[in-house]
Amino acid sequence: GAVVSQHPSRVICKSGTSVKIECRSLDFQATTMFWYRQFPKQSLMLMATSNEGSKATYEQGVEKDKFLINHASLTLSTLTVTSAHPEDSSFYICSAVTGMGGYTFGSGTRLTVV
Amino acid sequence: DAKTTQPPSMDCAEGRAANLPCNHSTISGNEYVYWYRQIHSQGPQYIIHGLKNNETNEMASLIITEDRKSSTLILPHATLRDTAVYYCIVSGTGANSKLTFGKGITLSVRP
Repeated sequence: GAVVSQHPSRVICKSGTSVKIECRSLDFQATTMFWYRQFPKQSLMLMATSNEGSKATYEQGVEKDKFLINHASLTLSTLTVTSAHPEDSSFYICSAVTGMGGYTFGSGTRLTVV
Repeated sequence: DAKTTQPPSMDCAEGRAANLPCNHSTISGNEYVYWYRQIHSQGPQYIIHGLKNNETNEMASLIITEDRKSSTLILPHATLRDTAVYYCIVSGTGANSKLTFGKGITLSVRP
């Protein structure tokens, strides 16, 4: 089946630094990918929609200059959290449209900013 | 905002069927009902989806009412590994259709 690989699974970074999270579709081409954020005991919140070769579409309230999304190929989308602060600590999850009417998710990245 | 409502939690005994309800009274004619589940600290796992007919796969069955305003996910023989948060989501299937997650229902399977 369609598999999405997300890396890293965990990352700890210092406040003020940037962190890049990668999301790869392994056995299919993903024209569209989605990025979510999940805080403890809460549901997934959609941050942005990423389309290959074009600018990402951000949900209301999500800072596009802070959360940089690049979808330069049909199998890779990246999310860069710039100038990370402790309040950015969260569980980040990517998802891709599989082309069969379904959505498959990565395993998530636990970001801790210290 | 999520277009679905689910009870916050339920439990069932191991080996018994778990019936998880979902209301989606504002569903549009071209929108599907999706079910995903999330085990702690993992990405959501696809379970099943359907438009108007009942669906069954190796994991579960999806029963959609005739008016499509509600549905039930059935796990026929729940195991302890089925303990998770289950999300019922309504969405289209276009390339930019997105899944909006509600709070989901926490299913606890007891021994």
